[in-house]
Amino acid sequence: RKEVEQDPGPFNVPEGATVAFNCTYSNSASQSFFWYRQDCRKEPKLLMSVYSSGNEDGRFTAQLNRASQYISLLIRDSKLSDSATYLCVVTSIKAAGNKLTFGGGTRVLVKP
Amino acid sequence: EPEVTQTPSHQVTQMGQEVILRCVPISNHLYFYWYRQILGQKVEFLVSFYNNEISEKSEIFDDQFSVERPDGSNFTLKIRSTKLEDSAMYFCASSVSGTSGSPQYFGPGTRLTVL
Repeated sequence: RKEVEQDPGPFNVPEGATVAFNCTYSNSASQSFFWYRQDCRKEPKLLMSVYSSGNEDGRFTAQLNRASQYISLLIRDSKLSDSATYLCVVTSIKAAGNKLTFGGGTRVLVKP
Repeated sequence: EPEVTQTPSHQVTQMGQEVILRCVPISNHLYFYWYRQILGQKVEFLVSFYNNEISEKSEIFDDQFSVERPDGSNFTLKIRSTKLEDSAMYFCASSVSGTSGSPQYFGPGTRLTVL
């Protein structure tokens, strides 16, 4: 089983609509969770950290379900500029290293 | 806004040659990382580095790879004898601390092409 699994998509979203997608992780010792976005052939850019109680940053809402080992990302009022690949990222408890484990990404295409 | 920078943006080399990829982490960050992404695949961890020592490395980071912080600003990844399968995008990242909740910020990457 992959450590971090994502639906690769693409999710085709009309501009202004809401889109949501999940990510599952296999390591129950996973400690911290992030969403990054990656544009084609560019670096991953931090979108938001994901907190246990869930958190919101503008049009983006992230949720964490430790019992079922998944995190979710919801994008409201989608903009054309939201078109990107969204990377689910987890870290595990470790004394040193702070290695990030990436999912394969979910591709989102926002269309006019 | 402070950024991680990387040079060169694109490196083409012959199989068996040595390459050095360079990174300048964000200035007040103390933890440094290298990741790679083969075209069409996910981002993979290579190595983390703190206080002039490797903290953790992956199975990919074999004896052909080494990292160094030669001065107060640069952080380098050396591949001694490149293979075709080393062709990938190499990303440097840095973070303020090494705790798992500390976000890592990525540079724009070096595209390595091994012929």
